[in-house]
Amino acid sequence: AQSVTQPDIHITVSEGASLELRCNYSYGATPYLFWYVQSPGQGLQLLLKYFSGDTLVQGIKGFEAEFKRSQSSFNLRKPSVHWSDAAEYFCAVGPGANNLFFGTGTRLTVIP
Amino acid sequence: SAVISQKPSRDICQRGTSLTIQCQVDSQVTMMFWYRQQPGQSLTLIATANQGSEATYESGFVIDKFPISRPNLTFSTLTVSNMSPEDSSIYLCSVLDNSGVASGDTQYFGPGTRLTVL
Repeated sequence: AQSVTQPDIHITVSEGASLELRCNYSYGATPYLFWYVQSPGQGLQLLLKYFSGDTLVQGIKGFEAEFKRSQSSFNLRKPSVHWSDAAEYFCAVGPGANNLFFGTGTRLTVIP
Repeated sequence: SAVISQKPSRDICQRGTSLTIQCQVDSQVTMMFWYRQQPGQSLTLIATANQGSEATYESGFVIDKFPISRPNLTFSTLTVSNMSPEDSSIYLCSVLDNSGVASGDTQYFGPGTRLTVL
């Protein structure tokens, strides 16, 4: 069965600092992998996705993620965090985009 | 990417009543989904809304409690029936966009409906 683990419930970073949000998954084959962001009171916005090809994926708002098959990970990174990045981040995995299992989310706080 | 709207954006309802949430997308899509996000929790899939046939419900969700309609390829409704405070959640509609052949399919989400049941 597929599963997604986001080990960090809450992360606090200073504005301008680098960020890495962890995502580990359990799945038998190469999955579809997604990162979504949810700002307070909003729906989910797609940041980036991986389904094949280059394992380093670029997304919107300066985010990137790297698929590491050997570690079953798909960590999200950003070199310099902005105050507007404060939100909840969800990793999702599935055999296809029509069958996704979501992690429990990581809440990001950005301090000035 | 598909643009999705939901109505209402939020509502406060009394126990025992029902609320119908609408989801409208700006292009025809084959698959639409309904999720529940309970306070402080992740997303749980309620059902897949199928055009022209009954919705496909996930384990733990039943049609009597969450009837779904999908009259065409751009619209769906979810009704939360006989509500209790435990139904207080954000309800999210999403669609599968498979127009990006080279980039793979993607689920896009609506803004959500925040439901509070008193």
